[in-house]
Amino acid sequence: GAVVSQHPSRVICKSGTSVKIECRSLDFQATTMFWYRQFPKQSLMLMATSNEGSKATYEQGVEKDKFLINHASLTLSTLTVTSAHPEDSSFYICSAFLITDTQYFGPGTRLTVL
Amino acid sequence: LAKTTQPISMDSYEGQEVNITCSHNNIATNDYITWYQQFPSQGPRFIIQGYKTKVTNEVASLFIPADRKSSTLSLPRVSLSDTAVYYCLVGDRGAGGGNKLTFGTGTQLKVEL
Repeated sequence: GAVVSQHPSRVICKSGTSVKIECRSLDFQATTMFWYRQFPKQSLMLMATSNEGSKATYEQGVEKDKFLINHASLTLSTLTVTSAHPEDSSFYICSAFLITDTQYFGPGTRLTVL
Repeated sequence: LAKTTQPISMDSYEGQEVNITCSHNNIATNDYITWYQQFPSQGPRFIIQGYKTKVTNEVASLFIPADRKSSTLSLPRVSLSDTAVYYCLVGDRGAGGGNKLTFGTGTQLKVEL
């Protein structure tokens, strides 16, 4: 299957700082990538759809000014959590969509905000 | 987006066959059915995908009846390492649908000795 990577795998930051998470499709080009958030013992929640060369589409209830998404190339999407607070601590997972195939998920990034 | 319903949890023993059924009554014509496996603190891993009838790969089989309103993931001879959460999702994998997927609760499979 296709490979998707994320960096960093885990990050700890102070409240009020911004954190950038990278998602890369390593062996295919992805015009669409997705960002999910997962809290302990819960399912994945879709945050936004990232389209190469255009603005991201956010799900209802997700603050677009807080979770900045940039999809500058066909293999890279970034999620920046701005002015992070402890309630933003979560497991963030990206996926890349291969047309006529399926979504392939990254390994996830554990964000802890102190 | 079609909603899916799965059992919250299942228990099994090593060497047994496990069948997890998923209900998706509102599946659309262009929707495919995809199953993922997730271990704690890892991203979901693709298991199998199908549209109708039966699909088999090296790790699982997927059975889809003619009306496509449900599907069954079959894991042959499970081992302890198969303990994980299994998600059933439906979505349009074409360019028009964008393959947007909504995760349900998933099924926590626990395999014991």
